[in-house]
Amino acid sequence: DAGVIQSPRHEVTEMGQEVTLRCKPISGHDYLFWYRQTMMRGLELLIYFNNNVPIDDSGMPEDRFSAKMPNASFSTLKIQPSEPRDSAVYFCASSLWTSGYYEQYFGPGTRLTVT
Amino acid sequence: AQTVTQSQPEMSVQEAETVTLSCTYDTSESDYYLFWYKQPPSRQMILVIRQEAYKQQNATENRFSVNFQKAAKSFSLKISDSQLGDAAMYFCAYRSPSGGGADGLTFGKGTHLIIQP
Repeated sequence: DAGVIQSPRHEVTEMGQEVTLRCKPISGHDYLFWYRQTMMRGLELLIYFNNNVPIDDSGMPEDRFSAKMPNASFSTLKIQPSEPRDSAVYFCASSLWTSGYYEQYFGPGTRLTVT
Repeated sequence: AQTVTQSQPEMSVQEAETVTLSCTYDTSESDYYLFWYKQPPSRQMILVIRQEAYKQQNATENRFSVNFQKAAKSFSLKISDSQLGDAAMYFCAYRSPSGGGADGLTFGKGTHLIIQP
């Protein structure tokens, strides 16, 4: 299996621009998670989906952030408008019930830089 | 809300020696999952070991083992026979049993492990 796929791997954009991060979970996984990693705040859960339905979005920092999962094989995290404080590594992870518990598999992350 | 604390921002160990990374957590739940993840410079998050809170036996994976003290809410990671490839950031993580155990993870701030050759 190819694992969780994220694109792009690096994104540099100017403040005020719209940014879209993409994730393809592992085939058959029924949960998908978006995390953000910064030096100041560490790794934080932003939102997660079960069977394409958002379950908990309490970690989404503000209305500028939105996430969608239109089908089982694709999710997006959009920031509009972007700000320099949004600079971070954004991870997508997916999971499936296996051997008695859910294990999360992480993608390689997208490094976002907002100038 | 649960919190996870890693009090050692950085640790250094000689190659082939043993090192222990500390983690404490705060929760009011009686059943939960605890994890250690490794993040090398490639930034890929790699699961090292997991522990179910209802299990008294400490988890072990080859050179990696944990010391799980439920009453003290402590979950330390011991790495034996340290190797250069163990150099990375290590994150302790907590997951609630709600939602069938499929909730998101709460992470500590991490410990940067340096291996001295």
